[in-house]
Amino acid sequence: GNSVTQMEGPVTLSEEAFLTINCTYTATGYPSLFWYVQYPGEGLQLLLKATKADDKGSNKGFEATYRKETTSFHLEKGSVQVSDSAVYFCALLSSGGYNKLIFGAGTRLAVHP
Amino acid sequence: GAVVSQHPSWVICKSGTSVKIECRSLDFQATTMFWYRQFPKQSLMLMATSNEGSKATYEQGVEKDKFLINHASLTLSTLTVTSAHPEDSSFYICSAKLAGANQETQYFGPGTRLLVL
Repeated sequence: GNSVTQMEGPVTLSEEAFLTINCTYTATGYPSLFWYVQYPGEGLQLLLKATKADDKGSNKGFEATYRKETTSFHLEKGSVQVSDSAVYFCALLSSGGYNKLIFGAGTRLAVHP
Repeated sequence: GAVVSQHPSWVICKSGTSVKIECRSLDFQATTMFWYRQFPKQSLMLMATSNEGSKATYEQGVEKDKFLINHASLTLSTLTVTSAHPEDSSFYICSAKLAGANQETQYFGPGTRLLVL
């Protein structure tokens, strides 16, 4: 079945450090891939998406590239800020009839000044 | 932006009691609402999908008689965990979607943490 696996957190970084959060997926067909972010006390928000292989999604300095050959969608940011501290969820939406979001477990990021 | 609230944010109850969690879309009408559950260190899992005025559609393995979902209006859905047991302790999240919107465009509530003693 469809599934998403993310690196286990927490990830702790100093401000201005480089961020990578790994995400791999298992799916039939050609899913769309997403990153959601949940700031403390708030609901998940769509951060970025990619709908086909080699697409790069980007938003707020974050990027992720849809790699079909490695079934990955790693999240990166060149220079993190304290305000980026949040939980990040990788997710997929299958291209088949199962039109539901499949989430990973989430990765908590803590950025210190 | 669209806001979804959940109440309560935290609830502790005794085993055998029922707990109701509310999910409200504050500034838009949600034709579809979703309920998710997340156990520690596990994935956020869809429990059920509800459309306003219709019975909810439950995912495989989710007991509909235990997790009662009511979506009586376009701004409110409730999840009632009946006869709660310690294994129901989890983080419950709702989300709402506008009619015709893409499936990924869901507006999520902040979640409700349930602890059953």
